[in-house]
Amino acid sequence: DTAVSQTPKYLVTQMGNDKSIKCEQNLGHDTMYWYKQDSKKFLKIMFSYNNKELIINETVPNRFSPKSPDKAHLNLHINSLELGDSAVYFCASSPLTSGYNEQFFGPGTRLTVL
Amino acid sequence: ILNVEQSPQSLHVQEGDSTNFTCSFPSSNFYALHWYRWETAKSPEALFVMTLNGDEKKKGRISATLNTKEGYSYLYIKGSQPEDSATYLCALIKAAGNKLTFGGGTRVLVKP
Repeated sequence: DTAVSQTPKYLVTQMGNDKSIKCEQNLGHDTMYWYKQDSKKFLKIMFSYNNKELIINETVPNRFSPKSPDKAHLNLHINSLELGDSAVYFCASSPLTSGYNEQFFGPGTRLTVL
Repeated sequence: ILNVEQSPQSLHVQEGDSTNFTCSFPSSNFYALHWYRWETAKSPEALFVMTLNGDEKKKGRISATLNTKEGYSYLYIKGSQPEDSATYLCALIKAAGNKLTFGGGTRVLVKP
């Protein structure tokens, strides 16, 4: 069973479209995250939710909006997609918000904006 | 801007040889340091979470040390095997919290 899953794995879309990436974890964790792997291959935190509550909100364009319907799911909605949004997006989860807990990563979603 | 630096960026190792590489970080307000192993086409997987100065952790042939006063951590691979080929990422957490700031990674290629 996949611990942290993301759908879709690949997403190709046109500039200006609105799209969503879904993330689910079956580990019973309280905290979930979204990361973006930038053009230099660095992983950078975008958002973190603890039990459906937003706790980290990095400097990300407000076209990006996370939504957590329950603590097992954290979806990422992106409005008015731009070329620069092309990247690999990783979801992750951890048992608690404490930095002493390792994070478990999903397989990534490769978004290509044409 | 929080700088977490890893060196070298890449490393070629002969099978059977041991190797090590560095993660450097600002030492102020240290909370925790994570190490992750990231194989191509897979997800990053946690190796260690290190919290105390002088910490030394081991998992099989891989071990790590931590010096929070001078701001560095070493990762060691003993007797490298081809399956150790991966990118090794360190990530820093400052102050209490869970925001990971990742370094750029050290890409290790073990040649048979």
